[in-house]
Amino acid sequence: EADIYQTPRYLVIGTGKKITLECSQTMGHDKMYWYQQDPGMELHLIHYSYGVNSTEKGDLSSESTVSRIRTEHFPLTLESARPSHTSQYLCASSAPVGNTIYFGEGSWLTVV
Amino acid sequence: AQSVAQPEDQVNVAEGNPLTVKCTYSVSGNPYLFWYVQYPNRGLQFLLKYITGDNLVKGSYGFEAEFNKSQTSFHLKKPSALVSDSALYFCAVRDDRSSNTGKLIFGQGTTLQVKP
Repeated sequence: EADIYQTPRYLVIGTGKKITLECSQTMGHDKMYWYQQDPGMELHLIHYSYGVNSTEKGDLSSESTVSRIRTEHFPLTLESARPSHTSQYLCASSAPVGNTIYFGEGSWLTVV
Repeated sequence: AQSVAQPEDQVNVAEGNPLTVKCTYSVSGNPYLFWYVQYPNRGLQFLLKYITGDNLVKGSYGFEAEFNKSQTSFHLKKPSALVSDSALYFCAVRDDRSSNTGKLIFGQGTTLQVKP
């Protein structure tokens, strides 16, 4: 199992604020991902990374941005939050062998 | 294009009865198939996967899944359901040609409700 940590778990912020969702993993996985999920709904890939200095857009368009300066760290940033950004954001990583993707506990974002 | 379908939004079973949560997939190459479980306000937990080999895969918490290539299915099963199995279950797939990206395509999820 991978150890993936997401902070904050819950966040309520006002419209127009800048926020960063943190994600760290301790297993040295090269591949990391951000998925967006509305409550009880399917997951949509919004960003992924093959490794340091590599970031790609996912299948669902998102106004968020990501960076990968260190292997273990993959933060997601919203420059100006809007109510439509209210959702759960799930960070994940996968090992080079085995192909399994492991998820963090998620960050619930509410924009009011 | 890859896709995965979970035809049932919700499955209801009585505790002690066998359960099945259905999943069908479509890929261009050979499939890598996964099942995850999600409890309320939590992330996804890995249950089991099929990459190659035996069509019957055993996973965590007594769950198993059967890969059926001709029917392009990967149904999740458990011989005797527990109330604590009640959760949201996701099937996911990618094909061996996209294994370098590691990206998974998820189904829409099936809510399993086990009643005492």
